Amino acid sequence: AQKVTQAQTEISVVEKEDVTLDCVYETRDTTYYLFWYKQPPSGELVFLIRRNSFDEQNEISGRYSWNFQKSTSSFNFTITASQVVDSAVYFCALKRAGTYKYIFGTGTRLKVLA
Amino acid sequence: SQTIHQWPATLVQPVGSPLSLECTVEGTSNPNLYWYRQAAGRGLQLLFYSVGIGQISSEVPQNLSASRPQDRQFILSSKKLLLSDSGFYLCAWKPRDTGRTDTQYFGPGTRLTVL
Repeated sequence: AQKVTQAQTEISVVEKEDVTLDCVYETRDTTYYLFWYKQPPSGELVFLIRRNSFDEQNEISGRYSWNFQKSTSSFNFTITASQVVDSAVYFCALKRAGTYKYIFGTGTRLKVLA
Repeated sequence: SQTIHQWPATLVQPVGSPLSLECTVEGTSNPNLYWYRQAAGRGLQLLFYSVGIGQISSEVPQNLSASRPQDRQFILSSKKLLLSDSGFYLCAWKPRDTGRTDTQYFGPGTRLTVL
């Protein structure tokens, strides 16, 4: 069975602090994809990143970075120098190659306080 | 570029009334289409997905139905709404050609309140 766990329900940080959102997944497949989405108060899910299971290279995009470790089945997301605009619910998701369904975690609500 | 539209943006309906939510995608052909529901403060629940015109797969038994009358149009319906149908409904699409990307893109959503 496939599963995505985001154990952190809600995180509050003060602006400019670094914060890491955890994502742990379960799958028996060798080829799969991992995703992070941001859901701001407006509601629309915004795609942030996709990672293939065969590419463990970490990625950095501005203040955002992602750490993919197959050994621990984790795909963690770090925001450096957080800003109020980063306040949102963040979802991690998993998809098996060749299938249609995406498995979402329950989301982590991030509150960045000014 | 591709865009996805949903309407209405918000809807307030009485219990027992019918429902029709529409989703359209522009700038792509043969997309896979999805309907999700998000209850207040909760995660995403996949309701339906479609890989082609007239092809609908249902994920959960409920009083909702979906149809895909055209390649880039996906409709969510109900004959009689229940209080438990309240939530935020998100439509999403994915390119059919999975050789390059398996990324799913979401619409702006419809916030439904059943009273």
